[in-house]
Amino acid sequence: AQSVTQLDSHVSVSEGTPVLLRCNYSSSYSPSLFWYVQHPNKGLQLLLKYTSAATLVKGINGFEAEFKKSETSFHLTKPSAHMSDAAEYFCVFSGGYNKLIFGAGTRLAVHP
Amino acid sequence: GAVVSQHPSRVICKSGTSVKIECRSLDFQATTMFWYRQFPKQSLMLMATSNEGSKATYEQGVEKDKFLINHASLTLSTLTVTSAHPEDSSFYICSATIAGGSTDTQYFGPGTRLTVL
Repeated sequence: AQSVTQLDSHVSVSEGTPVLLRCNYSSSYSPSLFWYVQHPNKGLQLLLKYTSAATLVKGINGFEAEFKKSETSFHLTKPSAHMSDAAEYFCVFSGGYNKLIFGAGTRLAVHP
Repeated sequence: GAVVSQHPSRVICKSGTSVKIECRSLDFQATTMFWYRQFPKQSLMLMATSNEGSKATYEQGVEKDKFLINHASLTLSTLTVTSAHPEDSSFYICSATIAGGSTDTQYFGPGTRLTVL
C-alpha cells in the first residue's frame, strides 16, 4: 500500500536556526513526492516536487528536500528559519490516477 | 502562473440552505479539478475529482447528492453544498492540474471557509 508519514506533528525552532521536517513514504514504485505549505486559513502552496530526476530538489523560499530511496525518506530542510516560515507543511505522495496522498502535516513554529 | 481562485473566501449560512463555491483557474486551462475538505488541525481529504464536461468521481463516503459538482468549462468548477447542516461546516479547497502539463502537480485555491449555523 502507498502511504506517507510525517514523523513530527509539531516542530519548533528559533529564528535563524536550521529547519528539518521529516517525511517517510511507502511505495512499490518510484514515486512523485511533493512538499506543500499552508499558512493559516489559506490554500496550499507548492514548495517543491521530486519526480526521479535529481535526488536533491530545490524549492522556493530557500527550502530543499532530498529523496533517499534506501531510507524511503523525503525530508524538507532550510538552513535558516524566518518568522514567515511558520505554517503547516504537508508531505504529499502522488498515488496515481492524479490522486494525491497527504501526510498528516507538521506545524512549524518559529520563535524570535 | 498557475493561479487558482475560489469564491467566496468565507460564507455563513443557515441550516437547510444551499451554498455554491466557485473554483477558477485564472491563467491556465484545467484538465481536472479536485475538491478537498479540511477539518481543523487535520490534513486534506479528497472529496471528488471532476473533468470538464464529465460527471464527477466521488470518493467513498462522500454523498454525491449532497455535494454537487459541476465542471462546465476548462476554467471553472463549482461545488454546491445542498441542504447544509452544521456538520458540513469546514474549509473547502479546490485544486487543478494544467491541461497538457504534469498530471500529478496540483495547484490549490485559497480555500473557502463554510460555517453553517
